[in-house]
Amino acid sequence: QSVLTQPPSASGTPGQRVTISCFGSTSNIGSANVYWYQQLPGTAPKFLIYRNNQRPSGVPDRFSGSKSGTSASLAISGLRSEDEADYYCASWDDGLSGWVFGGGTKLTVL
Amino acid sequence: EVQLLESGGGLVQPGGSLRLSCAASGFTFSNYAMNWVRQAPGKGLEWVSAITGSGGHTYYAISVRGRFTISRDNSKNTLYLQINSLRAEDTAVYYCAPLGYCAGDTCLDFHSWGQGTLVTVSS
Repeated sequence: QSVLTQPPSASGTPGQRVTISCFGSTSNIGSANVYWYQQLPGTAPKFLIYRNNQRPSGVPDRFSGSKSGTSASLAISGLRSEDEADYYCASWDDGLSGWVFGGGTKLTVL
Repeated sequence: EVQLLESGGGLVQPGGSLRLSCAASGFTFSNYAMNWVRQAPGKGLEWVSAITGSGGHTYYAISVRGRFTISRDNSKNTLYLQINSLRAEDTAVYYCAPLGYCAGDTCLDFHSWGQGTLVTVSS
């Protein structure tokens, strides 16, 4: 059971906009930044979003992050087949004195 | 270019020990807190341990506390994880990463983690 809650799966068709949610609490998302990672099949994770809504260079602006209260969202617009991957949210948890991850969301492009 | 290169994994019997290393380059290593994150086969990401940039503070997941020790040598730009009393449930790919991505107002600008190092605990 992960501290951060994500839907196990999401799907969309090419060109669509998809959002993935991440629910936490006041001890993590409510008081700390949220990060998103992308893991393509068979590869290592990659940084996708840092500090709630910032993108590393090289990450397309089709990917955007937002945070409100104790929840966060990752939005992917103009969905492409190469976006098919697992997506994880993470945040620092003051109560646990450690990082916590969501269980991951498997995105399927239909 | 930021690079992270993990090494030291392998096959070990239950109760055994390993020392994992992570060689970092392309950024001012000593400025950044570093972490170990693991992924068991077919499972999600699990945070294991963190250490501040100076090495003065360390943090551990409850599941590894007392068995794992994180450390760093800033003169060698290298992060370590000493793992003892290994259990079958420690079998995973272990990654190192600066999860916070920033040191104050200075943020890294890369997106790829290293490839990780596989630890397999089995008799």
